[in-house]
Amino acid sequence: QKEVEQNSGPLSVPEGAIASLNCTYSDRGSQSFFWYRQYSGKSPELIMFIYSNGDKEDGRFTAQLNKASQYVSLLIRDSQPSDSATYLCAAPGSGTYKYIFGTGTRLKVLA
Amino acid sequence: EAQVTQNPRYLITVTGKKLTVTCSQNMNHEYMSWYRQDPGLGLRQIYYSMNVEVTDKGDVPEGYKVSRKEKRNFPLILESPSPNQTSLYFCASSLTDNTEAFFGQGTRLTVV
Repeated sequence: QKEVEQNSGPLSVPEGAIASLNCTYSDRGSQSFFWYRQYSGKSPELIMFIYSNGDKEDGRFTAQLNKASQYVSLLIRDSQPSDSATYLCAAPGSGTYKYIFGTGTRLKVLA
Repeated sequence: EAQVTQNPRYLITVTGKKLTVTCSQNMNHEYMSWYRQDPGLGLRQIYYSMNVEVTDKGDVPEGYKVSRKEKRNFPLILESPSPNQTSLYFCASSLTDNTEAFFGQGTRLTVV
């Protein structure tokens, strides 16, 4: 089992809709979870991080964490064409010091 | 300005010719990493460093070397590059192994 798994997509949503991106992780000891956005040919940049079970909201973005199910998600409300990018989930492994990323989900927001 | 600087941005080289990609951060971060990114495979960690003189292998370390003699610098060395090392490389730094990672601009390497 991969340490961090994401559906590669592409996930296509119409402009103004909610985009839902999902990630599962294998290390039960992971304490923090990160969502990065990467435009084609550019460097990843942090969108959200979450440490506690439940929801965390920041503007149009909501991160959701369920440690019992080892599941973290990112919701993007009122999706815009500028949100079209690859979204990478990261779950640093506990005790291994590795900083592991999923393969990313490509999101396409259709105008 | 807080940043991670990689050089060069683009590099074309021939098989077997040793090369070094430099990485420097000005945020006094302890943790630094190198990743390669290939289509469909995402970001794969090559090596990481917890602090000066402390480095360890990531998931794809074969064919690479690193060193961490100073806190700010973490060069990636390819002693004998091969075509399968053609990739997009990113250096990243973070305060610890469990906090936000800041990425360099990337180095697109082609080995012919």
